[in-house]
Amino acid sequence: GAVVSQHPSWVICKSGTSVKIECRSLDFQATTMFWYRQFPKQSLMLMATSNEGSKATYEQGVEKDKFLINHASLTLSTLTVTSAHPEDSSFYICSVSGDRDHNEQFFGPGTRLTVL
Amino acid sequence: GQNIDQPTEMTATEGAIVQINCTYQTSGFNGLFWYQQHAGEAPTFLSYNVLDGLEEKGRFSSFLSRSKGYSYLLLKELQMKDSASYLCAVMDSNYQLIWGAGTKLIIKP
Repeated sequence: GAVVSQHPSWVICKSGTSVKIECRSLDFQATTMFWYRQFPKQSLMLMATSNEGSKATYEQGVEKDKFLINHASLTLSTLTVTSAHPEDSSFYICSVSGDRDHNEQFFGPGTRLTVL
Repeated sequence: GQNIDQPTEMTATEGAIVQINCTYQTSGFNGLFWYQQHAGEAPTFLSYNVLDGLEEKGRFSSFLSRSKGYSYLLLKELQMKDSASYLCAVMDSNYQLIWGAGTKLIIKP
């Protein structure tokens, strides 16, 4: 399967600051990338779908001005949590989908965000 | 609305067999996925079913019945490392993945 990396693996920041999370597809060109959020003991919650070169499509209830997504190339997407607050503390996971078997999504290792 | 149901938690014994069920109601169907997720880690792909029947892959098998909106994941010869959450996800007509809440599987020696 595809190899997906995320950076950073974990981050602790103060309330009000912005945090950028990178998602990279290392071994194939990802036309579509997904950003998920997962709170403890809950399932994955899709935040947005981004396609290379176009604006991301956000799920209902996700603030696009707070969670900025940039899919600048076929191998890189970034999620910026602006003016983070403690309630934004969560596990953020990206996945990529390309022209592979079975429409499978390949997940990055996740980024643990803690906002103090 | 779209809905995926799976048990919240199951317990099984090392070396035994366990079956995790998943029922779904979605807008269209383009396949059903099973993922394994260890605590604090991202999900990893286990299986994909788009046609009715059983798909076997080593100790893990996955079954699908589209007419019943039903799937199960069968784990044989359970090992302690199989302790994890197992997520059922269905790809709908828009090729979006609809996720179940996951089943936490606890393996006891």
